[in-house]
Amino acid sequence: DTAVSQTPKYLVTQMGNDKSIKCEQNLGHDTMYWYKQDSKKFLKIMFSYNNKELIINETVPNRFSPKSPDKAHLNLHINSLELGDSAVYFCASSIRTSGTRNTGELFFGEGSRLTVL
Amino acid sequence: AQSVTQLGSHVSVSEGALVLLRCNYSSSVPPYLFWYVQYPNQGLQLLLKYTSAATLVKGINGFEAEFKKSETSFHLTKPSAHMSDAAEYFCAVSEGRDDKIIFGKGTRLHILP
Repeated sequence: DTAVSQTPKYLVTQMGNDKSIKCEQNLGHDTMYWYKQDSKKFLKIMFSYNNKELIINETVPNRFSPKSPDKAHLNLHINSLELGDSAVYFCASSIRTSGTRNTGELFFGEGSRLTVL
Repeated sequence: AQSVTQLGSHVSVSEGALVLLRCNYSSSVPPYLFWYVQYPNQGLQLLLKYTSAATLVKGINGFEAEFKKSETSFHLTKPSAHMSDAAEYFCAVSEGRDDKIIFGKGTRLHILP
């Protein structure tokens, strides 16, 4: 039973196209994230949602739009894809306990490898 | 703002030898610190974490890390490397005031037979 699942696992597309990646978690967590991992394995946070509310938006181009229909789902839509968008995109979730510090333990999906030609 | 620096993008050790992966952090408040491991074509998984309890933290697969405030370090060790330890290792920091977890650039661990 996959805890954090992402689809699709691989995406190959042309520059200028629009694509979406979906993420679902069945852990009951309140917080979900999108991270981008580049070819050098550098992992950079993009967005974070807590219970459907956007709480982190890290200087990501407007072409990237996250959407959280409910706290178990966080999707990422990318418009007008560019070559530099090629990367592995990871969805993650964590528990956010009200009144205490976030433990920061992230549960990751297996990643969605996006290749822009 | 918090940050982590991992010394050495690649580390090679012989099977059975000591593994030492270095991580230094910067944080304006007492941090939470983590080590994650990433096997090829997989997501990251938590190895261990420090959240202001014991300074020596034991994790999965025989790994442990020691929080040293005076050195702002959180190095990862394992007494005896196994071939299955070959992977990418990431140190991460959280100040906990928001949900932002910042990762280091990773260290690829190679195990030599």
